Parts: sequence; structure tokens; C-alpha cells
Amino acid sequence: GAGVSQSPSNKVTEKGKDVELRCDPISGHTALYWYRQSLGQGLEFLIYFQGNSAPDKSGLPSDRFSAERTGGSVSTLTIQRTQQEDSAVYLCASSSEGEQYFGPGTRLTVT
Amino acid sequence: QKEVEQNSGPLSVPEGAIASLNCTYSDRGSQSFFWYRQYSGKSPELIMFIYSNGDKEDGRFTAQLNKASQYVSLLIRDSQPSDSATYLCAVRDFGNEKLTFGTGTRLTIIP
Repeated sequence: GAGVSQSPSNKVTEKGKDVELRCDPISGHTALYWYRQSLGQGLEFLIYFQGNSAPDKSGLPSDRFSAERTGGSVSTLTIQRTQQEDSAVYLCASSSEGEQYFGPGTRLTVT
Repeated sequence: QKEVEQNSGPLSVPEGAIASLNCTYSDRGSQSFFWYRQYSGKSPELIMFIYSNGDKEDGRFTAQLNKASQYVSLLIRDSQPSDSATYLCAVRDFGNEKLTFGTGTRLTIIP
């Protein structure tokens, strides 16, 4: 079946602009996660959704970051007023019984 | 601060030999353990998960968990050049959905 999909695959933006990253989870997966991976770094948890609610937002680095999920499916991660330190690969994962499967990621570059 | 530690490598193993990857974790409350393979420029791919003490085998891969020692390992038998990648260890605590990742071990299989 289809895996997790993310768009865009690459995004270059100017410092100060807002960006939206999209994640479409595996069909039927109720849990959805956002992580980011900076160059040479491990994966850093950002936020977790169960259905449309977000019980754990503890990893969002600042109030410039927000995420929503509608219809228990697609999720959007929004970064406002982007900064150069936001440059990273943003990864989305979904799961149904605990094992998390990752999408291909969005590479964000802030210039 | 929960920590997951891995030797960053690189670990070089001759083709056909056994590759042994190790991971330690700091939180005794960790309940679930995962190994992901990540090729350069790609997203992590789940290859093994283990929840109980002991060994779990899947093809050429064996995961080993020792909760008393807070240690989890991945063995790859009959190593192939296609196994060359970075291997990420991840743990999840009871009642917590997010994964905490190590920084990964870079494995190179030498033909």
C-alpha cells in the first residue's frame, strides 16, 4: 500500500517568510508525528497527533511553530517568520500499533 | 534528560561477516525499542522492533534487548554492501508516544 507522503520534497525560502509543510499519513493510521533532522544531528521530536488532537506538543521549539491535523488524516506544519536555524529535514511519521513509519521528508533551506 | 547513546562509527565490516551495532539508554521506563536504517539523503526505514527481553530474529537481522543492563543491539548476519547505511536506535517510554533517537552508527560493509 501507499506509504507516508510529504510535500514539498524541497523548499527554499527567505528568512522571515512563512512556510507550510504537508504530511499525508498511511491510510488508517490514527497517530501522526513530526520530527526534524538537522545536518549531522539525530531526529528531534516536534509534535504528536492522535486523531485530530495533539496530546504532545512538547518538542515544538518556539511559538513560531504550529501544526494542525484535520479529518484525522492530513497534517500541516507551519513555521512563521523562518530563521536560518530552522533549516533541516522535516520528517513525518504515522503509526497504527506503535511502530512508526516515516515519509520521505521535506528539506527546508532558509536563506 | 533521557538519552540514547550509540557509537557514531564509522564501523567497517567485511562482506559476509556479522555486523554488531549497540545502543544504551538512560531511562529504565523505556518499554519499546526500534532500529531504523537510514541511507544517505533518505528517510529512516524501520527494520526491527523489540519489546521483550531476549532475542528477536527477522531474516539476517537479530535484535537483542537486555532491560537490566539498559542495552539493545542489532546484529546483521552475512553483511552485504547494501547494508552500508546509518543505523538509528530509538526508544519509547511507557505511556509516551514519541520516540527518542540516538545519533546513529554509520556502518560500512567492505566488499
